[in-house]
Amino acid sequence: DIQMTQSPSSLSASVGDRVTITCRASQSISSYLNWYQQKPGKAPNLLISGASTLQSGVPSRFSGSGSGTDFTLAISSLQPEDFATYYCQQSYSTPPTFGQGTRLEIK
Amino acid sequence: EVQLLESGGGLVQPGGSLRLSCAASGFTFSNYAMSWVRQAPGKGLEWVSVTSSSGGSTFHADSVKGRFTISRDNSRNTLYLQMNSLRAEDTAVYYCAKTGDYGDYYIFDYWGQGILVTVSS
Repeated sequence: DIQMTQSPSSLSASVGDRVTITCRASQSISSYLNWYQQKPGKAPNLLISGASTLQSGVPSRFSGSGSGTDFTLAISSLQPEDFATYYCQQSYSTPPTFGQGTRLEIK
Repeated sequence: EVQLLESGGGLVQPGGSLRLSCAASGFTFSNYAMSWVRQAPGKGLEWVSVTSSSGGSTFHADSVKGRFTISRDNSRNTLYLQMNSLRAEDTAVYYCAKTGDYGDYYIFDYWGQGILVTVSS
């Protein structure tokens, strides 16, 4: 199975900050990398697919980049509604696997 | 509007069985692969099972292989997860998830609200 490792595991930031979350795969997954946002008590929400394709309705302050084994999710100017947990996930092979999550908290 | 509504969860003793259902609406159910993904309390996401759009192909995580079976009824727009020989470590919120229009089984563009399964004596 492909292991997905996110860093950091948690992050404190302020409204207006730019933040980045990193995801590393244990082997090359090309661009088969997706990002999800999850708020407490809610289902995950797909933000980005294919490493960099923003889903319809997702604000443009979110962006994704990377290929191969190293990927990044960036949020350009944090808004109050962005404080949540973020997961990367590879869709390159079965089983699909998720990173352990990055909890983004208000400083 | 896409809607996925899970049901069938609850408390079950170790070794017991449950069947989860996921009623789908707002899209052509028979055109899309569907998955179950679970989340243990306070933990991350774990993919469980997938079925192709026709139901002819299924895959399961090693952690549930031989105990869980995914299936679907396209005439009823419903996805199922039969869970047998349940263990304490199966305790989780179970989500059904729809595959997106990407030709990729594992991009999950819509999720249900989740249903809690608790395995305890």
